[in-house]
Amino acid sequence: SSDLTQPPSVSVSPGQTATITCSGETLGKKYASWYQQRPGQSPVLVIYQDNKRPSGIPERFFGSKSGNTATLTISGTQAMDEADYYCQAWVISTVIFGGGTKLTVL
Amino acid sequence: QVQLLESGPGLVKPSETLSLTCVVSGDSMNINSWSWIRQSPGRGLEWLGYIYYSRSTNYNPSLKNRVSISVDTSKNHFSLELRSVTAADTAVYYCAGGVEWWYFDLWGRGTLVTVSS
Repeated sequence: SSDLTQPPSVSVSPGQTATITCSGETLGKKYASWYQQRPGQSPVLVIYQDNKRPSGIPERFFGSKSGNTATLTISGTQAMDEADYYCQAWVISTVIFGGGTKLTVL
Repeated sequence: QVQLLESGPGLVKPSETLSLTCVVSGDSMNINSWSWIRQSPGRGLEWLGYIYYSRSTNYNPSLKNRVSISVDTSKNHFSLELRSVTAADTAVYYCAGGVEWWYFDLWGRGTLVTVSS
C-alpha cells in the first residue's frame, strides 16, 4: 500500500504529552518526516529521518519509529503547538503524505 | 537564511497551463532538491514533483505527465508547469526545498491558484 494513515484528531491538555501516530507499509523501510502546519501558515519541518530535529525546533518534539509505525511525541505541550501535523515518507521515489492530524490543546 | 517566494497567476482557465515560479533568496548552497507541493482547500498535502541537483526530475504519477519542473540557477528560481488543468487543480501551491529530496526543510508562503472560467 502507498498510504500513510494518521488519526484525524488528537486532544491534549496543556503541559501533557501528545502522541500522533502514522502507519504505513513503506515506513518499514523508509524514513518518516513530520510537519507542523498552523492555521493559515505554511508547513514547518519538525522531524526528519525518523528522529532528527532541525535546528530551531524545540526539544519537546521527538520522533520515533517501530516497524511500520512512526510516532511524533510532543512533551509538555503548549498552546502554540495546536496545529495540523502531517507525516511524510516515500514509495519507490514518489513522496507521500499522511492525511494529517489536528492537534487540539485544551 | 534561505527564503522562498512563489509567484504566478491566481486564476487559470480550465484546459490551460498553470505556471508558477519560486524565487530563492539567501544562501541556498546546501539545498539540493527543489519541489512543488499543493494543498486543496481544507485538505491535505499532495507532492507534485522535484528537481534534484538541478538535473534529475521526478513527478507524482497521479498527475499523468501533466507536470514539469525546471530550475534556472543563474536567476535563482525554479518553476512549475501543470498542463490541461481542471477545477480539481484548484489549490494553494507551495514551493519547497531540501538538503535531500525525501524531506522538505524550507517552504514558501504558498500561492492560491483557482481554476475557473
